[in-house]
Amino acid sequence: AQSVTQLGSHVSVSEGALVLLRCNYSSSVPPYLFWYVQYPNQGLQLLLKYTSAATLVKGINGFEAEFKKSETSFHLTKPSAHMRDAAEYFCAVSETGTASKLTFGTGTRLQVTL
Amino acid sequence: DTGVSQDPRHKITKRGQNVTFRCDPISEHNRLYWYRQTLGQGPEFLTYFQNEAQLEKSRLLSDRFSAERPKGSFSTLEIQRTEQGDSAMYLCASSPRRPDQLNEQYFGPGTRLTVT
Repeated sequence: AQSVTQLGSHVSVSEGALVLLRCNYSSSVPPYLFWYVQYPNQGLQLLLKYTSAATLVKGINGFEAEFKKSETSFHLTKPSAHMRDAAEYFCAVSETGTASKLTFGTGTRLQVTL
Repeated sequence: DTGVSQDPRHKITKRGQNVTFRCDPISEHNRLYWYRQTLGQGPEFLTYFQNEAQLEKSRLLSDRFSAERPKGSFSTLEIQRTEQGDSAMYLCASSPRRPDQLNEQYFGPGTRLTVT
């Protein structure tokens, strides 16, 4: 069985500050890992994905994430937060090799303050 | 390339009624997924189709729930005899055929169900 744990249900940062959203995964097979963003009353938008090609993954809107097998982590970062980054962020895991369901974490709500 | 669309966006129904939701995936995406999301939680997998074949169902999908994808294009999710616990956002996602994009899922805006 696969699972992800997102530490911190709410994170607040000042505009221009570093964003760090934490995700740890558990998987019995090499995983694919994803970060999605959800704005209010909208569906989920794919930010980035890790599929074993490179451990540092760059995504849209200036976000990136680093896969660390030794720490079973896939934390999401952005050097400088913007007000428009305020949203809910979900980490997800799926099995490699074949089309597979996503298992999501409980989400982290990012607040960006002036 | 239009995105995944879902209809209706909102549905209010009384307990015991049946409801049906529709999902239109991105054209030529052969995989289609249904998820349910309750307040403060991440989406939970319900079921998955490859073309018209339903390949996997979650234990969350009780016998009151049924999903179809009759021609391998749009899909419907029906809930019979709705209960208040069915109140949630129902999300649909589709995934392309390309091997390097197999696990990328593109989500629709969701259908918010309220059971009164």
